[in-house]
Amino acid sequence: DSGVTQTPKHLITATGQRVTLRCSPRSGDLSVYWYQQSLDQGLQFLIQYYNGEERAKGNILERFSAQQFPDLHSELNLSSLELGDSALYFCASSHSASGNTIYFGEGSWLTVV
Amino acid sequence: GNSVTQMEGPVTLSEEAFLTINCTYTATGYPSLFWYVQYPGEGLQLLLKATKADDKGSNKGFEATYRKETTSFHLEKGSVQVSDSAVYFCALSDGGGGSNYKLTFGKGTLLTVNP
Repeated sequence: DSGVTQTPKHLITATGQRVTLRCSPRSGDLSVYWYQQSLDQGLQFLIQYYNGEERAKGNILERFSAQQFPDLHSELNLSSLELGDSALYFCASSHSASGNTIYFGEGSWLTVV
Repeated sequence: GNSVTQMEGPVTLSEEAFLTINCTYTATGYPSLFWYVQYPGEGLQLLLKATKADDKGSNKGFEATYRKETTSFHLEKGSVQVSDSAVYFCALSDGGGGSNYKLTFGKGTLLTVNP
C-alpha cells in the first residue's frame, strides 16, 4: 500500500459525459501528479500540482482539468468524454516538488462507451 | 525531448532463470533513472532508482546500473521467481531545476515466469 488513495477504482460512462477522479496523497506529501496509461500511448504525464499551485503540465487535453485543494487532495476532471479517453488514470504524490521518490496509487479505470 | 526505450517483450522465463530487461534513454542534463513494477491489478511500485552516473540501484534481488556512456539502465535479476511476473517500466526524471519532477516512462515489458 503506497498510501496514495484514488477513487473510484472503476468507472463506466458514456461519450460526451463528464467525470471527476479523486486522489488523496500520502500523508505529508505536498506534490500531486496525474498520469494516464493507455494501450496505445503508454504512461503519459498529465499535470503536477504542488501545495495547491500548478507546477508542470504535460500532454493534458483542454477537455481535462485538475486542481489541488487546501487539504492537498486533488481532482482530475474529464469532460466531453470520447472513446479514446478510456484508460487507467494514476495519481501519484511526493513530498517536495522535485528530487524525491514518487509514489503511485492503484489507479482509476475509466471506460467510455 | 526526453525519451525512454525498453525492450517490449513479452518475456517468458522459467523459474530461477536470469533476467535482463534492456532500457536506454535520451535526455538533456542529468536525469535520475527508475524501474517501476506493476503487478496484475495493482498500481505502480518503485522497484529501484539511481540518481547519478555509475550508481547501482538494487531491491528484492533486482539490480540496475546507471551507465551514462551508453545511456542505459538495464534491469537484471539472477534468479527469477513466479512472483516476479509483472510489467516492468523504465523511467527517467529530467531532474532539472527543482520545479518539474515529471517522469517519462518506457512502454513497459511484460514478464511471465513459469514454474
